[in-house]
Amino acid sequence: DAGVIQSPRHEVTEMGQEVTLRCKPISGHDYLFWYRQTMMRGLELLIYFNNNVPIDDSGMPEDRFSAKMPNASFSTLKIQPSEPRDSAVYFCASSLHVAGYTFGSGTRLTVV
Amino acid sequence: TQLLEQSPQFLSIQEGENLTVYCNSSSVFSSLQWYRQEPGEGPVLLVTVVTGGEVKKLKRLTFQFGDARKDSSLHITAAQPGDTGLYLCAGAKGAQKLVFGQGTRLTINP
Repeated sequence: DAGVIQSPRHEVTEMGQEVTLRCKPISGHDYLFWYRQTMMRGLELLIYFNNNVPIDDSGMPEDRFSAKMPNASFSTLKIQPSEPRDSAVYFCASSLHVAGYTFGSGTRLTVV
Repeated sequence: TQLLEQSPQFLSIQEGENLTVYCNSSSVFSSLQWYRQEPGEGPVLLVTVVTGGEVKKLKRLTFQFGDARKDSSLHITAAQPGDTGLYLCAGAKGAQKLVFGQGTRLTINP
């Protein structure tokens, strides 16, 4: 298995633009997580899905953030409009039941 | 509120030395995991401990879960430059929602 695949690896965008981050989880995993990592705040859970259904989105900063999981092999995290304070590394992770998480390599987002 | 406190936050030692990093909480966790993250990559799972008092070894790394399942430690023997990275502990509370500590950034100098 190729692991959790995220795209793009790097994204630089201007303030106000829409940003879409993509994730392909490991086949067969039933949980998918979106995290944001910054030096100041560490790893923050934004939202997670179980069997494609959003379970907890309490970590989503505000209405500018949205996430979807239309099927078991694909998820997106969208920021619209983007702001400089959204600059961070965004990770997607997947897991099977109560096993450990497998993280993707992340998307480094810079909003200028 | 940071449920999991890791210490130290930064640690820089010479190759060959031993070290211990800690992960503490006032909460009880059903399981606790340790991850290592290298620059430009996502965290990679090292171990999961689920039983109070459990000790697991992974080559030169020894992980222990506290008896009360509120804390954990990671001990590295004879550290090597390849051990350099960010070490994260994460506790499970409820179904599949991990809480991560802030991490210990470890540097092993040749």
